Amino acid sequence: AQSVTQLDSHVSVSEGTPVLLRCNYSSSYSPSLFWYVQHPNKGLQLLLKYTSAATLVKGINGFEAEFKKSETSFHLTKPSAHMSDAAEYFCVVTYNQGGKLIFGQGTELSVKP
Amino acid sequence: GAGVSQTPSNKVTEKGKYVELRCDPISGHTALYWYRQSLGQGPEFLIYFQGTGAADDSGLPNDRFFAVRPEGSVSTLKIQRTERGDSAVYLCASSLTGTGITDTQYFGPGTRLTVL
Repeated sequence: AQSVTQLDSHVSVSEGTPVLLRCNYSSSYSPSLFWYVQHPNKGLQLLLKYTSAATLVKGINGFEAEFKKSETSFHLTKPSAHMSDAAEYFCVVTYNQGGKLIFGQGTELSVKP
Repeated sequence: GAGVSQTPSNKVTEKGKYVELRCDPISGHTALYWYRQSLGQGPEFLIYFQGTGAADDSGLPNDRFFAVRPEGSVSTLKIQRTERGDSAVYLCASSLTGTGITDTQYFGPGTRLTVL
């Protein structure tokens, strides 16, 4: 079955330190991969997406992710966390080039001052 | 421009009642999606429309759930004989075409449904 696994349900970092949110996907065939962010009481917002072009994808707010086929991973990183980054992050996969998205369970990111 | 809007933002109902949730997609978007997000979980796909027709309804949990998009724009998700387990946030998304690697889904703020 098509699936995506987020390896940490909660990550806590200090402001100004790097962020790493981990994601692995099942490897049926070439996926499109996304990271979405959900701030409290707000809608899901697309951070970045991978669609088989460059394997290192840059997104909004300084986030980036690297597609590694050999590891079936698509980890999200940011060099320096900001307080405003505190939110729920979802790794998402689709195999249909359109159509339904399959979401991971989410990783809650906390940023300490 | 205006994003995806959903009404109501909150809905409280009693077990066994009928509810309708509405989604207004971004103007010009032909594809529309419904997802359900239970507490502490990621959103789960329910149904996907291309224009007026349901292209994939494999995520609807049972026949109490039904969705329509009669004119290819606004969509209504209908739930009959609600159960406490239906309590969740119902999310709507729209995208320009619903196909192709550049298509992106844009989400609304959701409707929080509580079944007492």
